[in-house]
Amino acid sequence: TQLLEQSPQFLSIQEGENLTVYCNSSSVFSSLQWYRQEPGEGPVLLVTVVTGGEVKKLKRLTFQFGDARKDSSLHITAAQPGDTGLYLCAGADNQGGKLIFGQGTELSVKP
Amino acid sequence: GAVVSQHPSRVICKSGTSVKIECRSLDFQATTMFWYRQFPKKSLMLMATSNEGSKATYEQGVEKDKFLINHASLTLSTLTVTSAHPEDSSFYICSARDPANMGNEKLFFGSGTQLSVL
Repeated sequence: TQLLEQSPQFLSIQEGENLTVYCNSSSVFSSLQWYRQEPGEGPVLLVTVVTGGEVKKLKRLTFQFGDARKDSSLHITAAQPGDTGLYLCAGADNQGGKLIFGQGTELSVKP
Repeated sequence: GAVVSQHPSRVICKSGTSVKIECRSLDFQATTMFWYRQFPKKSLMLMATSNEGSKATYEQGVEKDKFLINHASLTLSTLTVTSAHPEDSSFYICSARDPANMGNEKLFFGSGTQLSVL
């Protein structure tokens, strides 16, 4: 069974600070995705990383896929209150293409 | 872009009743849809994979007779929570894969259904 360990599970910071969320596994994933979810809504896809070592940037968000495709990180620069939400990493199962989700990181950015 | 519509967004029911949740792909045909369950501020737990025209594949620990899934058309999958009990109260989310999109793993999520069983 493929598992994704996401950390930290809770993060409360002040506006303007930087933060990093980690997603680790002992398994190799064909791709890894990061989602953001607001309360009472479905997750919204932020990015998909496919190639080992790949780095993608989305404004103040930087996503990295590990060289061995077993881990990924999400770095937010100068966090803003609008970044508050639940961040989820998800890896594509090698059998059947199911998405396996990490535990999620509840981020709170205070003004 | 691809859109997945989920209905209802919120339902409150009495213990012992059955509740049906619908998941529709609005602008693409989805041969496969997924049903997830989510507890407050927790991650999504895959319940089952819904396959059009065939039986759903349930994850370990998910009761097939409790959570009935029907995928009768390429644009509609339904999840029926039968004889609901308070412990079934949760946020249920569906997702669908658009085979026409780049990256076979890309999923589009519905907006979720908050089920409260009294």
